Amino acid sequence: AQTVTQSQPEMSVQEAETVTLSCTYDTSESDYYLFWYKQPPSRQMILVIRQEAYKQQNATENRFSVNFQKAAKSFSLKISDSQLGDAAMYFCAYRSPTIATAGNKLTFGGGTRVLVKP
Amino acid sequence: EAQVTQNPRYLITVTGKKLTVTCSQNMNHEYMSWYRQDPGLGLRQIYYSMNVEVTDKGDVPEGYKVSRKEKRNFPLILESPSPNQTSLYFCASRSNYRNQPQHFGDGTRLSIL
Repeated sequence: AQTVTQSQPEMSVQEAETVTLSCTYDTSESDYYLFWYKQPPSRQMILVIRQEAYKQQNATENRFSVNFQKAAKSFSLKISDSQLGDAAMYFCAYRSPTIATAGNKLTFGGGTRVLVKP
Repeated sequence: EAQVTQNPRYLITVTGKKLTVTCSQNMNHEYMSWYRQDPGLGLRQIYYSMNVEVTDKGDVPEGYKVSRKEKRNFPLILESPSPNQTSLYFCASRSNYRNQPQHFGDGTRLSIL
């Protein structure tokens, strides 16, 4: 079974600075998807960025970018130019491409809370 | 607007009193799932459905039931709730196209006293 580990329970960053969140995962599959979700105090689960394992290029979405190291099974999220609205819980998640795998369930890490200081 | 709608958003109830959390999606998605979120554990899948009348257990199914009689609806049923089911619950759906992400509802906060 796949597992996802986020080793940083909480990270603090100064407004306009950069913060990097760590995520490691364990899998025997060669093809899969990785995601970062943001959960603000409103509790909504907001997709931030996704990466397909067969793509070498790291995904980017505006101020958010990932460092995907497939061999190391590492998938970190970098938030650049941090803004107050970035304060939230961030979850890393893994998804198998195999339909038979529990309906393509997401396996989540435990989350990292990001605090942004003005 | 494409969305997954859960009701209620909040519920406080007592041990043993049956309750149902409804979930409806308007995107004609095949796959639907229920997750529970607990501190430090992230979200864990409770049950999932790959289409109408096709459901199966996820990682933490004990104490829950589901049904999928219509494609758009996937209710979560707690027949005899217990305090250890106090949690934040999310319904999610996605299409069966390979690279599509999950769409989440806004969550239901359940407190079982």
